[in-house]
Amino acid sequence: DIEMTQSPSTLSASVGDTVTITCRASQSIIPWLAWYQQKPGKAPKLLIYRTSNLESGVPSRFSGSGSETEFTLTISSLQPDDFASYYCQQYNTYPNTFGQGTKLEIK
Amino acid sequence: QLQLQESGSGLVKPSQTLSLTCTVSGGSIRSRGYSWSWIRQPPGKGLEWIGYIYYSGNTYYTPSLKSRVTISVDKSNNHFALKLGSVTAADTAVYYCAAKGPSSALNFWGLGTLVTVSS
Repeated sequence: DIEMTQSPSTLSASVGDTVTITCRASQSIIPWLAWYQQKPGKAPKLLIYRTSNLESGVPSRFSGSGSETEFTLTISSLQPDDFASYYCQQYNTYPNTFGQGTKLEIK
Repeated sequence: QLQLQESGSGLVKPSQTLSLTCTVSGGSIRSRGYSWSWIRQPPGKGLEWIGYIYYSGNTYYTPSLKSRVTISVDKSNNHFALKLGSVTAADTAVYYCAAKGPSSALNFWGLGTLVTVSS
């Protein structure tokens, strides 16, 4: 299985900050990497697919980039609605594995 | 816009079989290029991808669950199903169904349903 390692596990930030979450894959998966946002008690929501493509309806303050095995999700000018958990997922190879998640908290 | 809704038993006894159905509305489960997945999330933990079924009927299951899991499609009723046998407390989780469209990732999700394994 391809192992996905996300960092940090927890991130504290303030409204208006810019934050970056990193996801590393145990082997090349480019470009098949997605990012999801999950709020407590809710289903995950797709933000970014194919490394850098913004899902329809997702604010442009979310962006993704990456190379063969290292990928980043950047959220610019954090809004109150952005405080949630974030997961990366590779869908290059089965099983399609998720990172362990990053909880974005209000500082 | 696809909508997915999970249904099934919320309480399963150890060693029995967990059965869930995902009903698809707003589109056809026969749509070319779509795959239909199950993902689970134990309480307080991360997401685990269980497996998928492609519109053609091909399936793939995560190796750790492969011996116990079956995903099937009922095209006439526009739904797909999950069966997980020989369950233990470790299978207690919120189970989500999701759809992956062409050239995308898991872009449609059900609300999720909590399944508790307990005697």
